[in-house]
Amino acid sequence: GAVVSQHPSWVICKSGTSVKIECRSLDFQATTMFWYRQFPKQSLMLMATSNEGSKATYEQGVEKDKFLINHASLTLSTLTVTSAHPEDSSFYICSAAPRDNEQFFGPGTRLTVL
Amino acid sequence: GQSLEQPSEVTAVEGAIVQINCTYQTSGFYGLSWYQQHDGGAPTFLSYNALDGLEETGRFSSFLSRSDSYGYLLLQELQMKDSASYFCAVKGGFQKLVFGTGTRLLVSP
Repeated sequence: GAVVSQHPSWVICKSGTSVKIECRSLDFQATTMFWYRQFPKQSLMLMATSNEGSKATYEQGVEKDKFLINHASLTLSTLTVTSAHPEDSSFYICSAAPRDNEQFFGPGTRLTVL
Repeated sequence: GQSLEQPSEVTAVEGAIVQINCTYQTSGFYGLSWYQQHDGGAPTFLSYNALDGLEETGRFSSFLSRSDSYGYLLLQELQMKDSASYFCAVKGGFQKLVFGTGTRLLVSP
C-alpha cells in the first residue's frame, strides 16, 4: 500500500511554455501533499505544501505565481510550472503521508526546458 | 535558519559496516528520518527516530541524540545494491520534512 504516482515521468518543453505535473495517491486519501525540487547531485528542497480544498503554502523564496498548485481532490495534486525557463529544469517530486512519521514519494518528473 | 549536515561521500566494501552521520540545526523538531535514493529514483523511507536511542530494522539501524542534535544511520553487511544517496530529514510542524545535504555511498566488491 501507500503508492504515489506522478505523470509525466519526464517532459521536455520550450522556454516560455507551461507544464503541468500530476501527483496521485493510488490507494489512500491525502489531505496534504508536498512538492519538492531536486537539482542534480543536490538535496530535496521543499517547494510547497498542497492542501486539499485550500490554498497551497509556499516555502520562502518559491514564487507562487510561477509554480501553481491545485489540490483538486483527496487523491490528486497538480503542479504547473508557468512560463518555464531553462533554470526551471529540475527533478520535481511529490509526496504524501498516509500515516504519521512516514512520507511516501512519487517517482518524480524530470523537466527539461530548452 | 535550518541546516542538516552530512558527509558528502562515503566508500566501503561489500560486507562491511558503515555509519552516516547527520547533525542538524532546526527551528522545530519532532523526529529524524532517513531516506535512500538511487540515481534517478524516488526517495524511499528507511527509518524514523522520535526519541533518543537506537532503532533497528534489519541491516539498517538509526540512532538519535536530541541533546546533541545528532543522529546516524548504520548500514551492516553492505551489499552492492546499497550504493545510493542517503538523506537525513528532520520532521517539523505540519509534517514538513527538511532534508540534509545527502551522502553518496559507494559500495565496491
